Amino acid sequence: GEDVEQSLFLSVREGDSSVINCTYTDSSSTYLYWYKQEPGAGLQLLTYIFSNMDMKQDQRLTVLLNKKDKHLSLRIADTQTGDSAIYFCAEGITGGGNKLTFGTGTQLKVEL
Amino acid sequence: DAMVIQNPRYQVTQFGKPVTLSCSQTLNHNVMYWYQQKSSQAPKLLFHYYDKDFNNEADTPDNFQSRRPNTSFCFLDIRSPGLGDAAMYLCATSRDPEYEQYFGPGTRLTVT
Repeated sequence: GEDVEQSLFLSVREGDSSVINCTYTDSSSTYLYWYKQEPGAGLQLLTYIFSNMDMKQDQRLTVLLNKKDKHLSLRIADTQTGDSAIYFCAEGITGGGNKLTFGTGTQLKVEL
Repeated sequence: DAMVIQNPRYQVTQFGKPVTLSCSQTLNHNVMYWYQQKSSQAPKLLFHYYDKDFNNEADTPDNFQSRRPNTSFCFLDIRSPGLGDAAMYLCATSRDPEYEQYFGPGTRLTVT
């Protein structure tokens, strides 16, 4: 079955860049997503990338996809304290209701 | 603003007492999803509706049911909640199965 893995924790200083990594196993994934979850809240869609792309940039966010290695990363430039949250990557496979398989989540802590 | 709304945000129920969680959307999306997220875990898909077609995940317990009386509303019914059903329940919608999913704020269920 599908398996999506992320490192559990990341700590960065305010103003630095954060890079959150994700590996997935299902090569039939069509879209790969990044969601942000603040404490006690739902998931906020940050960005997504189609599987035939290798990079997508959206303001402070840069997504890199290495399809050969099944590796996805999210880079947050100029990280702010408001970026502290849990970040989930998810892979979606169309044709089956776009079922999302989420990673374990990476807790990002931004320190002053 | 178009959005996904979940009520209540916090729900306390007794062991074995049926409970219903509510989700509504103003996005006019065709697909509505219910996820269960236990503490420090990734969200897990329970089932989804594509229009009126119900799609249950193979490992969703029979204790969990869903209703979608119209496009805007979807309900999650837990017939006999157990202590292990305490979790955050997240509703999500997407325009069609191959499109990105937007999440509501979640309902935190406590079982006493």
